[in-house]
Amino acid sequence: EIVLTQSPGTLSLSPGERATLSCRASQSVSSSYLAWYQQKPGQAPRLLIYGASSRATGIPDRFSGSGSGTDFTLTISRLEPEDFAVYYCQQYGSSPPPYTFGQGTKLEIK
Amino acid sequence: EVQLVESGGGLVQPGGSLRLSCAASGFTFSSYWMSWVRQAPGKGLEWVANIKQDGSEKYYVDSVKGRFTISRDNAKNSLYLQMNSLRAEDTAVYYCARDPLPKRRSPSYFDYWGQGTLVTVSS
Repeated sequence: EIVLTQSPGTLSLSPGERATLSCRASQSVSSSYLAWYQQKPGQAPRLLIYGASSRATGIPDRFSGSGSGTDFTLTISRLEPEDFAVYYCQQYGSSPPPYTFGQGTKLEIK
Repeated sequence: EVQLVESGGGLVQPGGSLRLSCAASGFTFSSYWMSWVRQAPGKGLEWVANIKQDGSEKYYVDSVKGRFTISRDNAKNSLYLQMNSLRAEDTAVYYCARDPLPKRRSPSYFDYWGQGTLVTVSS
């Protein structure tokens, strides 16, 4: 099973700043099959990025994903007030599943 | 508009059973892999199980194998999760989630999620 470790656990930043979130896999993720989700309190997760770097429909271009192999990054170029939430990475490259999630990074307002 | 609506959650005693349902609309349900993902209170996301378009392939996380069964009824546009021998650690919000592309050979990530149904296992 591929274990995903996200860092930092909590990131405190101000609106307008740049956020960099990390997701490290215990083994190489096949074909960069990695997704990122945003979750706000009381809501279901929302897909942001798939295939490590492709933005989902309707996602603003301030969100970008990069990486391959075992190291992946989600970058939010200029934080908006609505971006403060918890972010999860998920790998879907293992065959057969399980398709594991990272433990999450909480992005909070400084 | 794609909609996924879960139901069937509630309070159940340890060792008990519960059946969750997910009603799908706004897309051709029979063309998509479907999954259940859960989230314990204050914790992260955990993929639980998924099922191929025609039900011919099913996969489970190790912690629920032999206790949970995923199924679907394409005629009713519905996904199910039969949960038996429930434990306190199964307490969570259970989400129904859809694969992003139709007719895929293998499952992948999730583009649409329901709002979830809470399962509480406690005496």
